[in-house]
Amino acid sequence: DAVMTQSPLSLPVTLGQPASISCRSSQSLVDSDGNTYFSWFQQRPGQSPRRLIYKVSNRDSGVPDRFSGRGSGTDFTLQISRVEAEDVGVYYCMQHIHWPHTFGQGTKLEIK
Amino acid sequence: EVQVVESGGGLVQPGGSLRLCCAASGFIFSSNWMSWVRQAPGKGLEWVAHIKPDGSEKYYVDSVKGRFIISRDNAENSLCLQMNSLRAEDTAVYYCMRDGGLSWGQGTLVTVSS
Repeated sequence: DAVMTQSPLSLPVTLGQPASISCRSSQSLVDSDGNTYFSWFQQRPGQSPRRLIYKVSNRDSGVPDRFSGRGSGTDFTLQISRVEAEDVGVYYCMQHIHWPHTFGQGTKLEIK
Repeated sequence: EVQVVESGGGLVQPGGSLRLCCAASGFIFSSNWMSWVRQAPGKGLEWVAHIKPDGSEKYYVDSVKGRFIISRDNAENSLCLQMNSLRAEDTAVYYCMRDGGLSWGQGTLVTVSS
């Protein structure tokens, strides 16, 4: 299985400050078609997950531009340029090229 | 508007069965891989099962192989998960998810307990 390892698992951030979450895969996530099937999700308290970023760096519709994704191969990062109160929740990375598809453990973002 | 609505959760005894389904609308269901993902109380996300648009390929996480069956009806825009021989560790909120995580339902809670 492709193991997805996130860090940190807990992320206290001051409002208006940047935040960064790392995700490392135990296997390359680059497909033979050249695409990298890696995404980031946000799960606010009491809600279903919501996709923020797909194929490493593409923002989904309606996602604020303060969220950005980067990386390649096995190492990926989600960055929030200026944290707002509505960003509180758990963030998950996910790969969907290798079966079983797998998620990271989750990173809990809270406001300091 | 895209909608994914799960149903069928509830309380079941260990060894029992339950059938979850989800109704999808607002997108071309028959063109999308569909999945079930679960989340145990207070825990992270786990992909459970995955089915090709035409239903010809199905994949399961090892822990549910031989016990769970994923199926779809493209004429009805519905996805189902037949869960047999349920165990306490299957207790979770089960989400119906569109290809790649683009759309999720609100989830349905399955509790396996005597």
